[in-house]
Amino acid sequence: SQQGEEDPQALSIQEGENATMNCSYKTSINNLQWYRQNSGRGLVHLILIRSNEREKHSGRLRVTLDTSKKSSSLLITASRAADTASYFCATPAGGTSYGKLTFGQGTILTVHP
Amino acid sequence: EADIYQTPRYLVIGTGKKITLECSQTMGHDKMYWYQQDPGMELHLIHYSYGVNSTEKGDLSSESTVSRIRTEHFPLTLESARPSHTSQYLCASSEFGFSGNTIYFGEGSWLTVV
Repeated sequence: SQQGEEDPQALSIQEGENATMNCSYKTSINNLQWYRQNSGRGLVHLILIRSNEREKHSGRLRVTLDTSKKSSSLLITASRAADTASYFCATPAGGTSYGKLTFGQGTILTVHP
Repeated sequence: EADIYQTPRYLVIGTGKKITLECSQTMGHDKMYWYQQDPGMELHLIHYSYGVNSTEKGDLSSESTVSRIRTEHFPLTLESARPSHTSQYLCASSEFGFSGNTIYFGEGSWLTVV
């Protein structure tokens, strides 16, 4: 079974709106990461949040982590058409960080101009 | 910008052929990985390496093999390709660290076996 599961599976919004994607995981972790993937391309690391952090910002991105609920959210504010991509959360395989990551199925975000 | 390169980007080959997907990184990372991803689906780890002469099977069983003779190079080989091997293969690397590893991905290799 998957460690990380994102919802919604797909999200369609207008430019300027905010986009929120959620990720749930099963085992205890010491960090959680979010990645972005443009269609047909490799993944690009967006942000890493550690288990002792509750919220982290990077530009228009805001990530929260609730270890008690085993969930995380990624918020993209003031979305742009260029934000259209798939977004994946990733957790360390086995819970600890020895490099291997387990990815969820991803949220496909479409931002309409 | 990540310095990790995959070739070829796209490959269409016939059943039974042997293929090697190349992956190289110039960041001096100890850890390297191969993930397999079908369109619109999650990534599955098929191989990883913690350094030279270290290779391990990942979470998803794969008929492919890998080698790590040099730090910067982590090729994946299919001895006899089949249509079921049609997928995208993503190579990645990261530094060694216990507090959280950012993984850098290549652009991916799209393999179609006909």
